[in-house]
Amino acid sequence: QKEVEQNSGPLSVPEGAIASLNCTYSDRVSQSFFWYRQYSGKSPELIMSIYSNGDKEDGRFTAQLNKASQYVSLLIRDSQPSDSATYLCAGGNAGGTSYGKLTFGQGTILTVHP
Amino acid sequence: NAGVTQTPKFRILKIGQSMTLQCAQDMNHNYMYWYRQDPGMGLKLIYYSVGAGITDKGEVPNGYNVSRSTTEDFPLRLELAAPSQTSVYFCASSWTSGSTDTQYFGPGTRLTVL
Repeated sequence: QKEVEQNSGPLSVPEGAIASLNCTYSDRVSQSFFWYRQYSGKSPELIMSIYSNGDKEDGRFTAQLNKASQYVSLLIRDSQPSDSATYLCAGGNAGGTSYGKLTFGQGTILTVHP
Repeated sequence: NAGVTQTPKFRILKIGQSMTLQCAQDMNHNYMYWYRQDPGMGLKLIYYSVGAGITDKGEVPNGYNVSRSTTEDFPLRLELAAPSQTSVYFCASSWTSGSTDTQYFGPGTRLTVL
C-alpha cells in the first residue's frame, strides 16, 4: 500500500455542488494531515490541516479524519470555478527515521464547470 | 517579507552538466525542504534540514547534494545531470517540524535535462 493514496480523479463537478476529495494512508503516516491546493504552474498552498479525529470546518472547506479507517477527506461546498486546481493530500510521518517529514499523495485534479 | 524565493525559474541543462538551485527564506524558519514534482505526480522529498549545519536525506536523494550554512539559505546541487532529473523543483520552509506545521513553498524551478 502506498503511504498516502488519493482517489485518482480527475473530478468534475458543476458550480455550486459539493466536491469530495478522498485520501487513505498507511500506518507510517499517522501524525497529522494537510490538504494543499496547487493551481496549474504554481506552487502548493495550504488550505486545511487536521490533527484529530472528526471534522474541521473553515469557510466552504471541511476536512474529515477517521484514524480507525485511515481515511482523510476534504469537502468543498458551493464549489466555484476558482476552486479548479490539483488538491494534494499529505501526511506527517509518525516517527523513527521519517520523523518530521511529510508524505504527499499523487494529487486529484478538480474541475468546477459553470 | 518575500517568503520563500527560488532561482532560477527555468533552466535547460545538457546531460552531464552540473548546477545549483538556490533557495532562500526570510521568515526565520528552522526547517527547510527540497521536493521534486514530476508531471501528474505529487511531491517527493529530496533532502531536508532542521537547522543550519544539519541536513538529511529524503525519499529520492540520489544525484543531489545540499548544504545549509545559514538559516536563510538552502541550495540544492545537481551533479552530472541526467534526463531523469527533468522535473519541477520546489523549496519549502516551516517554523517547526513539517509533519505538524504549515510548509510554505517557493515558486519552483522548472528544470529540463536534454
